[in-house]
Amino acid sequence: ETGVTQTPRHLVMGMTNKKSLKCEQHLGHNAMYWYKQSAKKPLELMFVYNFKEQTENNSVPSRFSPECPNSSHLFLHLHTLQPEDSALYLCASSSHNGGDPGELFFGEGSRLTVL
Amino acid sequence: AQKITQTQPGMFVQEKEAVTLDCTYDTSDQSYGLFWYKQPSSGEMIFLIYQGSYDEQNATEGRYSLNFQKARKSANLVISASQLGDSAMYFCAMRELNQGGKLIFGQGTELSVKP
Repeated sequence: ETGVTQTPRHLVMGMTNKKSLKCEQHLGHNAMYWYKQSAKKPLELMFVYNFKEQTENNSVPSRFSPECPNSSHLFLHLHTLQPEDSALYLCASSSHNGGDPGELFFGEGSRLTVL
Repeated sequence: AQKITQTQPGMFVQEKEAVTLDCTYDTSDQSYGLFWYKQPSSGEMIFLIYQGSYDEQNATEGRYSLNFQKARKSANLVISASQLGDSAMYFCAMRELNQGGKLIFGQGTELSVKP
């Protein structure tokens, strides 16, 4: 496998459920990101990890809990979500070598519906 | 204040014609990068083209070119010879190099190519 892989692609959950989104990158990158994409809104940055360390939390509610066990894997743990959290959650990775533009490589996203 | 502005929610273009998608940005940094991404209905964000703030030449990648006007803080995407497969959402994004690797995205433009 190559690129950035996200699972599951679709998830429906109730407000009391606990679920997790998984992201895996096979590109040897050292940075990973979670973005939220709601309908008719720009992509919103949620979390940034560099070399497994969280470097940014963009005022995300605590019902979203990220985990980065290594540079290749990123999780987003979900609990007691609200219907307005329904969105497409995109994972991305990048490298910071200075010589390249450092574009983000995205997965296909996990479409979450909260009932 | 919004850092990236895309003023065209939707655009139509005839197949084989050229189209320009607008993007303006706001930054006080001297070092930054500008990106364009395409998002088909499948959800994946596909990197198209990059322009660095110090690049003197406009970036080109196949049928994509970036009309970079630094003084006006604009970075418009030009797609030449439009194809039906170009129908998608297009996002402009910026990375300020002193802000790490994160990208800030605009609201997007939905492009529809007519046969």
